[in-house]
Amino acid sequence: QQPVQSPQAVILREGEDAVINCSSSKALYSVHWYRQKHGEAPVFLMILLKGGEQKGHEKISASFNEKKQQSSLYLTASQLSYSGTYFCGTEEGAGGTSYGKLTFGQGTILTVHP
Amino acid sequence: DVKVTQSSRYLVKRTGEKVFLECVQDMDHENMFWYRQDPGLGLRLIYFSYDVKMKEKGDIPEGYSVSREKKERFSLILESASTNQTSMYLCASSFLAGVVNEQFFGPGTRLTVL
Repeated sequence: QQPVQSPQAVILREGEDAVINCSSSKALYSVHWYRQKHGEAPVFLMILLKGGEQKGHEKISASFNEKKQQSSLYLTASQLSYSGTYFCGTEEGAGGTSYGKLTFGQGTILTVHP
Repeated sequence: DVKVTQSSRYLVKRTGEKVFLECVQDMDHENMFWYRQDPGLGLRLIYFSYDVKMKEKGDIPEGYSVSREKKERFSLILESASTNQTSMYLCASSFLAGVVNEQFFGPGTRLTVL
């Protein structure tokens, strides 16, 4: 079963903040976040491992609540270059047992206007 | 620079034809994956392989088969193409082990079945 992302779409002005959520019904080992720009391949942003560690990538950061099997991606002071579709990918199990297999959410379309 | 390449960006086939989609990676990755991407459904895993000649079904394997004869190459086969297989097909690869086993994606093949 795919993780559920919310919202499905968000529209921002440059400089505004956004949060994208990813929720799974399964016990997770890790959560990956990817961004896909229009007409391009998805690109890896970051990985969150069991342990609730928060990671950062420029002005984009994320958290992982392993008790709730939820992850959130935080985009602060958004830039035009942040526009794209964001996917979370979840890895189930205890780690090392799933061959790195990810189950992706349906995606969140982020549009940043000047 | 790491690279995942796919044999075609665009492909048009007729119903009932046998279709081969090829994927090649140059990163010596053990894992290779085939996804299809449809609007509103995100990335759905068709098949993956964690070693030469090994294959595992993903979430939507019906109507597809795969072949991995060499480590760097992973082929997706549609034995008898149908119109509901019209989609964007993405190939990805990753290391089998390691803390950050990010997936690297190819540019995709947009397949239209008439």
